[in-house]
Amino acid sequence: DGGITQSPKYLFRKEGQNVTLSCEQNLNHDAMYWYRQDPGQGLRLIYYSQIVNDFQKGDIAEGYSVSREKKESFPLTVTSAQKNPTAFYLCASNPGNTEAFFGQGTRLTVV
Amino acid sequence: AQSVSQHNHHVILSEAASLELGCNYSYGGTVNLFWYVQYPGQHLQLLLKYFSGDPLVKGIKGFEAEFIKSKFSFNLRKPSVQWSDTAEYFCAVSTNSGYSTLTFGKGTMLLVSP
Repeated sequence: DGGITQSPKYLFRKEGQNVTLSCEQNLNHDAMYWYRQDPGQGLRLIYYSQIVNDFQKGDIAEGYSVSREKKESFPLTVTSAQKNPTAFYLCASNPGNTEAFFGQGTRLTVV
Repeated sequence: AQSVSQHNHHVILSEAASLELGCNYSYGGTVNLFWYVQYPGQHLQLLLKYFSGDPLVKGIKGFEAEFIKSKFSFNLRKPSVQWSDTAEYFCAVSTNSGYSTLTFGKGTMLLVSP
């Protein structure tokens, strides 16, 4: 089946550790995105990539990093510099100027 | 940069009541408009979208939305809600240029009581 796969579904991290969230898509979409969802805040854009080996910062990029070495993969690293990393993270892709398709999300909790 | 405002953070309705969720955006140029829904424990799904043409857009599960350009609005409506419509609803906008990013509103949590 075509779609976007995020893993893991739940992730726990100790303070001060970096952690990487996986996002893979087999839809052959050029553009991929990472959003963060917090209660009452909606979805806020962290990073996006329109093509392999290129990416841009979104509205809340501080404390995060990404890479786009392959078209189908767009991993997000939450670094120790992110002050409040506990959140629900959503990955999305877009074939062009149309709607975005979302993964199931990863819930990150810092303990 | 564009922004989206959703008027209600929480809405509580009884089954069979009519629904209207407000959404306003700010952007001076051409936009694409979306409503997404997130059912409890599920991923974000597209309800409907507007790109051009008829400003009254029909989506899945009996939802519709009307684009009123003069009011910068894209309100979501459903004549008669069901308990299964309990979910969080997000309005989103993108500009009409290449791989434009989606900007979301803060969401409206709808609770439908049976």
